[in-house]
Amino acid sequence: EAGVTQFPSHSVIEKGQTVTLRCDPISGHDNLYWYRRVMGKEIKFLLHFVKESKQDESGMPNNRFLAERTGGTYSTLKVQPAELEDSGVYFCASSLGGAGHYGYTFGSGTRLTVV
Amino acid sequence: GQQLNQSPQSMFIQEGEDVSMNCTSSSIFNTWLWYKQDPGEGPVLLIALYKAGELTSNGRLTAQFGITRKDSFLNISASIPSDVGIYFCAGQLGGGSTLGRLYFGRGTQLTVWP
Repeated sequence: EAGVTQFPSHSVIEKGQTVTLRCDPISGHDNLYWYRRVMGKEIKFLLHFVKESKQDESGMPNNRFLAERTGGTYSTLKVQPAELEDSGVYFCASSLGGAGHYGYTFGSGTRLTVV
Repeated sequence: GQQLNQSPQSMFIQEGEDVSMNCTSSSIFNTWLWYKQDPGEGPVLLIALYKAGELTSNGRLTAQFGITRKDSFLNISASIPSDVGIYFCAGQLGGGSTLGRLYFGRGTQLTVWP
């Protein structure tokens, strides 16, 4: 089966611009998560979708970040306007059941650089 | 939020040596997990631990869930060059709307010299 796919793999944008990251989870996985790792720091939770609903968005840093999951399939994470501190690697993960780590598969990440 | 203190931050070892890294937290976790990240890839699950005191092996890897449920360690025996990467510990609180969310340590960068 295909894994979790993220696009683009790299993005370099200027401060103030908008960037949209996309995640295609494993087919049939209801649970989709977004995480972010700023260089040298821990991987931090951003939010959790169950199908198209936001189960937990307590990790979203501010209202410049907007995540959507239309139809419960792929998800997008938009940053508008981007700031320098938004640079990092954004990971998406998906799982089949609600137990989180069971079958919790990460994508390869999108490396975002804001200059 | 929950914080996991992972150490060491980096390790430089020779092929064949054993490696040990650990993670501590001020919070109690119901599950401890260890992941490895290769360059350009996402984290991959190595070992999952579900019970306090549990000791689990996966090939040359051994991990333990601390009896207090606030710590865990990972050992790698007889390291080989392909062990190079970043190792992350992660904890899961479990229950309520946060079920599924993981809290990660900062990672241990492992370098293995041939």
